[in-house]
Amino acid sequence: QQPVQSPQAVILREGEDAVINCSSSKALYSVHWYRQKHGEAPVFLMILLKGGEQKGHEKISASFNEKKQQSSLYLTASQLSYSGTYFCGTDPGGSEKLVFGKGTKLTVNP
Amino acid sequence: KAGVTQTPRYLIKTRGQQVTLSCSPISGHRSVSWYQQTPGQGLQFLFEYFSETQRNKGNFPGRFSGRQFSNSRSEMNVSTLELGDSALYLCASEGGDSTDTQYFGPGTRLTVL
Repeated sequence: QQPVQSPQAVILREGEDAVINCSSSKALYSVHWYRQKHGEAPVFLMILLKGGEQKGHEKISASFNEKKQQSSLYLTASQLSYSGTYFCGTDPGGSEKLVFGKGTKLTVNP
Repeated sequence: KAGVTQTPRYLIKTRGQQVTLSCSPISGHRSVSWYQQTPGQGLQFLFEYFSETQRNKGNFPGRFSGRQFSNSRSEMNVSTLELGDSALYLCASEGGDSTDTQYFGPGTRLTVL
């Protein structure tokens, strides 16, 4: 089942912080975060694995609550370049590789 | 390392035709996954190939098929195109570490008229 992302959209001013949430009804092996700008491919940001391993960009932080099947992406001191649509992809361990949420559109204004 | 490449970048076809899309993964990556992205349905998994074998499959009709070659390059074929097949088709390559991180290519924008 498709994970649920919240909020659907958020508008920030440069320097403000934001949190994007991803929630699944299934037990998860991993959660993957991507950012996609209009007309471009999704860019890998972060992967969080069951058991606590993480891999991602230095300026991005995220959490993964395995028991609640939830993940949150933390964007601090936002920059104009952070604008885009953020997707979480979940790996429930079934036949589908990754199941993506509908995305959170982030707009950072000067 | 060079990133994931996809060809062609844009394609226009008419209903009933078939189309073949190509994806070259990052050097050394052996897994290639395909996704369809549309405004209404978002990103949906089509299938994954690893070492020339389909390893996972999403919930798409049999008109969508793929294959992988010994050099890990992959092709995706859609037969009897329908208007609803208009989408951005993305491939993602994976490999090189234990984290299953997927790296996406630029996509092929398919328009069915």
